[in-house]
Amino acid sequence: KAGVTQTPRYLIKTRGQQVTLSCSPISGHRSVSWYQQTPGQGLQFLFEYFSETQRNKGNFPGRFSGRQFSNSRSEMNVSTLELGDSALYLCASSLDGVSYGYTFGSGTRLTVV
Amino acid sequence: AQSVTQLGSHVSVSEGALVLLRCNYSSSVPPYLFWYVQYPNQGLQLLLKYTTGATLVKGINGFEAEFKKSETSFHLTKPSAHMSDAAEYFCAVGLSGANSKLTFGKGITLSVRP
Repeated sequence: KAGVTQTPRYLIKTRGQQVTLSCSPISGHRSVSWYQQTPGQGLQFLFEYFSETQRNKGNFPGRFSGRQFSNSRSEMNVSTLELGDSALYLCASSLDGVSYGYTFGSGTRLTVV
Repeated sequence: AQSVTQLGSHVSVSEGALVLLRCNYSSSVPPYLFWYVQYPNQGLQLLLKYTTGATLVKGINGFEAEFKKSETSFHLTKPSAHMSDAAEYFCAVGLSGANSKLTFGKGITLSVRP
């Protein structure tokens, strides 16, 4: 079966702009989580959506937001981009959450200039 | 709160040698534990996971890990390293339910010498 698909793979944006990243989970998976990976901070949890509802949220500013659609596809939005937002953004899908384990996508590499 | 400690940032072994990557966790409730591998410019690939039951967990590519509650450890091992094992390895602890998320360690880069 198809894995987790993230688009686009690479993005270059200018400070102050906003960006939307997309994630299509494995068919049948209802949980989608987002993580930010940077060399300095490592892998940090952004938020999790389950059946279109945000179930959990990490310690990121309100500029980071997300949503999940009825087909479980998810989008993440970052407004007013800062240089420090440059990172690999990873999406992970699961049937039902942690107990089932997560399958990760290949990520979107965001560069803010 | 949960946390994961992966001591050291880099491990180097010879091809054919034992691979041992250490992971210690802290969790207020019985944890779910995971090892992921990441190759350059790729996402995370699940190697193995511990949920409940048998404490010795076998994963893909010959890796295994043992859950030791008394030591709060979940070390990853492989009897014989291959060149293709060179990558970054992450240990993670998870909570389920309303606080469902993974907390990752800093990661360990494994190098394999010919």
